[in-house]
Order: sequence, then C-alpha cells, then structure tokens
Amino acid sequence: DADVTQTPRNRITKTGKRIMLECSQTKGHDRMYWYRQDPGLGLRLIYYSFDVKDINKGEISDGYSVSRQAQAKFSLSLESAIPNQTALYFCATGQNNQPQHFGDGTRLSIL
Amino acid sequence: DAKTTQPPSMDCAEGRAANLPCNHSTISGNEYVYWYRQIHSQGPQYIIHGLKNNETNEMASLIITEDRKSSTLILPHATLRDTAVYYCIVRVGSSGNTPLVFGKGTRLSVIA
Repeated sequence: DADVTQTPRNRITKTGKRIMLECSQTKGHDRMYWYRQDPGLGLRLIYYSFDVKDINKGEISDGYSVSRQAQAKFSLSLESAIPNQTALYFCATGQNNQPQHFGDGTRLSIL
Repeated sequence: DAKTTQPPSMDCAEGRAANLPCNHSTISGNEYVYWYRQIHSQGPQYIIHGLKNNETNEMASLIITEDRKSSTLILPHATLRDTAVYYCIVRVGSSGNTPLVFGKGTRLSVIA
C-alpha cells in the first residue's frame, strides 16, 4: 500500500550498530504502529502512537525506541542491534472506524 | 495472547468456496471480529470485520454465529492469488484505538 511507506526495504548490518527504520504515511491517520514478524509467526506489537504527543509500549518494546516526529512520520530505532532482532518489521496506521493499513515491510538482518 | 483459535492450514480447490473457521469463545460484547490476510511476506491486508451481523464486501463474507463464539470467513470463488495466511482477530471497538493482536493464522493454499 503506497499510502504507508517504509524505508529502507532491506537492511543488513552488524551487531552493535544503531539502526533507524522510517515510516511515513499519506492517509492522514492519527494512529501509527510498529510490528515485528519472525518466520512462521504472527506479527507482534513493538510500539504504537495515537498522536504526536503519545507513545505507548507494545508487547515487545525492550531493545527498541520510537519517535513520532509528525503526524505522518513514525520511526523505530534499535540503539544497539543484536542478532535476535533479525526480523521483518511492519509499520501500520489506523483511524477511528477505519481498518489498519500496513506498509510493505522492512527486512532487517543483523550479523 | 491472541484470543482466537484457527486451524494451522487448509487447502481449497481453485474456483471453489474457501471457508476459514475461527473460534473466539471468550469474546466480549464490545469486541469485533476482524480478518486480515498476508500474502508471502507482504504487509497484512484488511479483508472484513463485524460485530454480530453477517457482513459481505467485494472480497469476502463473514458469518458470525448467534452466540458470537465462532465465525467463518468465506471466499466465494477462491483463486490462486488467494493463497495466503489468514488472521482472525478480535478487538475492542471498530475504531483504530486498540492495536491488533495477531495469532499464527491459517495458511490457505489454493490448488489448481
């Protein structure tokens, strides 16, 4: 869905590096979410935000931080990447009475 | 934890109806049933949602039992492009306030 854009689409990096994943949306939604998906499993929630001044931890927030720079932008950071953070990462947006819309994902590999 | 139970996998012949079951026996009165699907490793795609009445849209139909403890997603004429993992999710309200909680879903394979 081009309305939710994630960058980069793929990233390979080394243990200990700082990584930032970006998400931007043109849907005008207030709510934004970051999920991670490991092989064979469903998506798990990392962080979510209901507006620019609101940040909430999800199920697996340890080792991650987020920043909601504007209504349209929500970035996810790994301060010191470790190999078990290798996964597929999805950003999503939501709004009242609207289903969530997901980006195409960022495949992150940490060596 | 996910509040739903789905079979891990199902097969369906191309052109036939695919009926995907979901058990949500602990659903609360204000929780909706949502269905999403994920094709390969793409972002999940919204299909349909409902509270207690049956719903239909251009993609699928959702049948919810009268006691709301289970539901069935129906793809009326499955095609090869419907091969995906289908997630049944219960969530409070129809708004975007509550994050989606994903289980492992059902892997549907449509066979030619």
